[in-house]
Amino acid sequence: TQLLEQSPQFLSIQEGENLTVYCNSSSVFSSLQWYRQEPGEGPVLLVTVVTGGEVKKLKRLTFQFGDARKDSSLHITAAQPGDTGLYLCAGAGAGGTSYGKLTFGQGTILTVHP
Amino acid sequence: DAGITQSPRHKVTETGTPVTLRCHQTENHRYMYWYRQDPGHGLRLIHYSYGVKDTDKGEVSDGYSVSRSKTEDFLLTLESATSSQTSVYFCAISVGTGEWGEQYFGPGTRLTVT
Repeated sequence: TQLLEQSPQFLSIQEGENLTVYCNSSSVFSSLQWYRQEPGEGPVLLVTVVTGGEVKKLKRLTFQFGDARKDSSLHITAAQPGDTGLYLCAGAGAGGTSYGKLTFGQGTILTVHP
Repeated sequence: DAGITQSPRHKVTETGTPVTLRCHQTENHRYMYWYRQDPGHGLRLIHYSYGVKDTDKGEVSDGYSVSRSKTEDFLLTLESATSSQTSVYFCAISVGTGEWGEQYFGPGTRLTVT
């Protein structure tokens, strides 16, 4: 069974601060996705990283995939109240026929105060 | 928008009654998934499908069954609902071949078992 440990579980910060969310595993993943979810809605895909060491940027969000493809991080620069939400990492299994199944971390609830 | 709808969006039912949730997609994607979301657990896979009449169990399949008689519909049935099945249920599809596991989610069904 592949597990993803996401930390921190809760994050409460002031507008303008920077933050980093971590996603760690002892397993290798073929790809890793980050999702954002708002109350009452389904998760929305933010980014997919597939190559070890890969860095992707989405405006103020920077995503990194670890060299060994076992971990990932999400860094937000100058957080804004609109960034508030639940952030989820999810890994796709390495090797074999996975049928696109994902393993999700527990999620990080981010609150950005004005 | 991946054209995914779920019905009903909200349901309250009594312990011991059968319940069926429906997921409908409009784009003929091969892979479909049912998850449940509970606080502190992220998203957990219940069942998934890799084609018409091709389904398999996820990590939390006990008490649930699924059927997929058409590409566009994936049904989740709780044969005899229990209070532990109170949760938010999400359906998802995987685009393309599913290799990279990029999933797109429906809006969710909030189920309360009293």
